[in-house]
Amino acid sequence: QVQLVQSGSELKKPGASVTVSCKASGYIFTNSPVNWVRQAPGQGLEWMGWIDTKSGNPTYAQGFTGRFVFLLNTSVSTAYLQIRSLEAEDTAVYYCARDWHGEVWSPRPAFVYYMDVWGKGTTVTVSS
Amino acid sequence: SYVLTQSPSVSVAPGETARVTCEGNNIGSKSVHWYQQKAGQAPIVVMFNDGERPSGIPERFSGSNSGNTATLTITRVEAADEADYYCQVFDTVSDVVFGGGTKLTVV
Repeated sequence: QVQLVQSGSELKKPGASVTVSCKASGYIFTNSPVNWVRQAPGQGLEWMGWIDTKSGNPTYAQGFTGRFVFLLNTSVSTAYLQIRSLEAEDTAVYYCARDWHGEVWSPRPAFVYYMDVWGKGTTVTVSS
Repeated sequence: SYVLTQSPSVSVAPGETARVTCEGNNIGSKSVHWYQQKAGQAPIVVMFNDGERPSGIPERFSGSNSGNTATLTITRVEAADEADYYCQVFDTVSDVVFGGGTKLTVV
């Protein structure tokens, strides 16, 4: 079945780096982009951006430029989120999610973009 | 930037109908999607493109979208429906936008 399997929880000190992996199976990895979503403790979902799995081109949402890097290894169908210079405020659950997007004409012309498959999440804790 | 506003919480008795709303400027012109997130779990999509149900989602779930409000309606609510619900749209300026989430409590 289609699934995204994420790496395990991480405990890091401020200033360190962390890499979260997201391994896809059950579908052709390069057919669908991978998104990253952050959820701080007790908070809502925050879209971090996405990476085009065909070209490797990343798009970062506002607030996620600079220290956040999206990477790929298509040979093992895996996407990565790297966070550099970790801060306490980076403590959160990070989800990868496959998306489907495109133009639709029903019920009215619109651009559809939603996340149809999610990983279980990776908890990153930043603490000294 | 585009903002989606959800009520923080909704309470409903088992068997009743729950309505979770999502407000945004002219949201009726956009395609709205809804995610359910149970405690300690990853979100799953329960409605996409306003009113389309993914396979495996009960028919008790339905969606509508018009004007400035999109609504996720859950009829014959069950204890298993207790979760946080998030709406989401794509905006040409803000890209992917999530609402703040609504906690559905089945009392």
